[in-house]
This record gives sequence, C-alpha cells and structure tokens, in this order.
Amino acid sequence: EIVMTQSPATLSVSPGERATLSCRASQNLGGLAWYQQSPGQAPRLLIYGASARASGIPARFSGSGSGTDFTLTISSLQSEDFAVYYCQQYDNWPWTFGQGTKVEIK
Amino acid sequence: EVQLVESGGGLVQPGGSLRLSCVASGLRFDYYWMSWVRQPPGKGLEWVANINEDGSEKNHVDSVKGRFTISRDNAKNSVYLQMNSLRVEDTAVYYCARDKAAAGAWGQGTLVIVSS
Repeated sequence: EIVMTQSPATLSVSPGERATLSCRASQNLGGLAWYQQSPGQAPRLLIYGASARASGIPARFSGSGSGTDFTLTISSLQSEDFAVYYCQQYDNWPWTFGQGTKVEIK
Repeated sequence: EVQLVESGGGLVQPGGSLRLSCVASGLRFDYYWMSWVRQPPGKGLEWVANINEDGSEKNHVDSVKGRFTISRDNAKNSVYLQMNSLRVEDTAVYYCARDKAAAGAWGQGTLVIVSS
C-alpha cells in the first residue's frame, strides 16, 4: 500500500497570503489528486493528474510535482479557503489519502 | 447538476449488518465508475470500494474484504454497500462518490455507528 505523507499538519496563514502544502508518496506515482474539506461538508475535488484543475475550481489553486513529491499552492487565501486539504494517490489500489493539512487563519 | 444522496446509516451492534444506498441524479449513471469513501469521526479519509460502469469489476480495500460488498443497479441509478460483520472500527461517515479514482462529485454522507 502506498503511504501518503502531508506536511505541515497545520498551516497558519493570513487572508490574502500564499499557502504552500506538501504531499510525499512512498513510491513514484502516476496519479495524484487534491481535495478540500470544510467543516461538516463532503470533500471537494480541486486537482487531478497532479496539476489539472477540476471543473469550477478557481485559478488561485494550482498543483505541481511528479514522482514522489507534490505541492498544492493557494496563491491568495480567501475566507472560504480555510479548511482541511487532502492529497490522494490513484496509482495503485487501494487508493490512499494523506492525513490532511489544516489551513487556519493566522 | 450532479446529486448523490446516501441513505441507510444508523446505529448497529458489533457483528451486525447494514446496507447503504446511494441514488444519483443529474448524470448518465451507467457511464461512470462509482465509489464509497469513509471518514471516522474527526479523522481522515479511506477509500473503501469502487465498481465499474456495468458492475463487472469491483475493488475493495483489504480492511473490508470479505465483509463489505459494493454493487449497483443502473436501472435505479443506484449504488449500494452491503456491510456485514460490522466492527467498532467501521464507525464512520460513508460517502458515495462518482468516479473510479479522482472523485469529482460526492454525496453528503451517511453516518454508521457500530457500538454495543
């Protein structure tokens, strides 16, 4: 099973600032997605294929990386972006998620 | 607009069974893989199972293999999760999701509590 490790566990950022979230896989990946989950809500797909934005996702969200190291960048944090973010691999079954990064207001 | 609505959750004793259902609307249901993903209270996400467009291919995570079974009925735009031999550690919100891998649509979830 591929192990996904996200860092940091919590990121404190001021509105309007840039946030950079990291995700590392235990082996090289061909498929990686990022999700956002707000309190009491279902996850929402942000990025698939490591860097492709899902339908309706604002351009301030961008994904990058390959192999084992991936990054989600939020260029200018809006109030609705304070949430938990998960990376997920879909290279080898079972698909697995990272433990999440909580982005909180500084 | 895609809508996925789960039902069937509740309180069950260890060793018991539940059948979760998910009805989909706003999409051509038989064009898509469907999945179940769960989240224990206050914890992260686990992809439990997925099923292909005609139900001929299924995958289950090892922790539920032999106890849970995913199925679908395309005539009813529905996907199911039959859960047998439930354990305390199966307690979670269970989400129905569209797609095989990068899930582009999710339901609001149904809570399953396994407790004596």
